[in-house]
Amino acid sequence: KAGVTQTPRYLIKTRGQQVTLSCSPISGHRSVSWYQQTPGQGLQFLFEYFSETQRNKGNFPGRFSGRQFSNSRSEMNVSTLELGDSALYLCASSRWTSGGGNTGELFFGEGSRLTVL
Amino acid sequence: GQQVMQIPQYQHVQEGEDFTTYCNSSTTLSNIQWYKQRPGGHPVFLIQLVKSGEVKKQKRLTFQFGEAKKNSSLHITATQTTDVGTYFCAGSGFQKLVFGTGTRLLVSP
Repeated sequence: KAGVTQTPRYLIKTRGQQVTLSCSPISGHRSVSWYQQTPGQGLQFLFEYFSETQRNKGNFPGRFSGRQFSNSRSEMNVSTLELGDSALYLCASSRWTSGGGNTGELFFGEGSRLTVL
Repeated sequence: GQQVMQIPQYQHVQEGEDFTTYCNSSTTLSNIQWYKQRPGGHPVFLIQLVKSGEVKKQKRLTFQFGEAKKNSSLHITATQTTDVGTYFCAGSGFQKLVFGTGTRLLVSP
């Protein structure tokens, strides 16, 4: 079966702009989680969506937002970009929400590498 | 909030040497997962441990879950250059999956 698809793979933006990233989960998976990965900070949890509802949110400012559609595809948006937002943004899908205490295996996409100039 | 720490942050070994990474949670976990991320790649699931004191093996990899379900370890016997990458643990607890800080492994031939 097809894996998790993230688009775009690479993008360059300037400070103050906004960006939207897309994630298509594995068919049948209803949970989509987003992570920010930077060299010094590891994998930082942004938020999780399950059945179109945000189930969990990490410690990121309100400039970071997301949503999930009825087909489980998810988007995340970052407004008013800052230099520090340069990172690899990873999306992961799973069958179950972490709210149940057991997500099962997470399947990660290749990521969207954002560079903010 | 819930924190998951891993040590060491980085380890460089010679091929054939053993390697161990340790994962410690500030809270009791319902289960723990391990992932491997190759350089330039994305995290890939290795295994999930659920029971207190559980030990699982995958070829040269041995995974353990502590009796108190607050710590875990991954041991690689006789490392190979293909083991290069960053190993993350991820703990489930309190409705969240929290990733550890990761251990980067470098293996020299």
